[in-house]
Amino acid sequence: QTVVTQEPSLTVSPGGTVTLTCASSTGDVTSDYYANWFQQKPGQAPRALIHTTSKRHSWTPARFSGSLLGGKAALTLSGVQPEDEADYYCLLYYTATQRVFGGGTKLTVL
Amino acid sequence: QVQLVQSGAEVKKPGASVKVSCKASGYTFTSYGISWVRQAPGQGLEWMGWISGYNGKTNYAQKFQDRVTLTTDTSTSTAYMDLRSLRSDDTAVYYCAREGAASAPSDWGQGTLVTVSS
Repeated sequence: QTVVTQEPSLTVSPGGTVTLTCASSTGDVTSDYYANWFQQKPGQAPRALIHTTSKRHSWTPARFSGSLLGGKAALTLSGVQPEDEADYYCLLYYTATQRVFGGGTKLTVL
Repeated sequence: QVQLVQSGAEVKKPGASVKVSCKASGYTFTSYGISWVRQAPGQGLEWMGWISGYNGKTNYAQKFQDRVTLTTDTSTSTAYMDLRSLRSDDTAVYYCAREGAASAPSDWGQGTLVTVSS
């Protein structure tokens, strides 16, 4: 069973920078996994932020950036705003019939 | 603007089936696929499967392969998710999401709560 692992929780100060990571139980995450990142606030549907590892959607603020870091997919938030407090999920593409979400990271802005 | 509007909440008994709809607007339905994702209460997201809006080709997650059927009606730009043999652990919010190139779910429906209870 393939498992995708994210930090369960992270805390960041307003204006600070934080990096969330997404690791695969099968080994290093590469660009072949087309990593996606989503933000979800309580009671809302997920909102897509990043696709194909590092591409922002047209509505994604520039303070969100995606990359590969140390064998993991990473989402970096720079100049964190209070409204960035949310759950963040990564999604990795293994095959056409296997796409796996990470367990999510609860980001607290404090 | 792109909109995906899903059908309303459902309450079902164990063993029953449920069919959730996802009506798309604001784009050419046949140019994109639709993925289905669910979220149990207080839990994370789980990918269920994908259907092509162009030709109805489907890809199902192995976990759901025997119980789920995804279909589309291109005349109404609507996608459907049919889940059979419902169990209590199928209680979840079910989402549809438009998906373009590189398997990237971009626009999401509002979600449909399916409750399975005797």
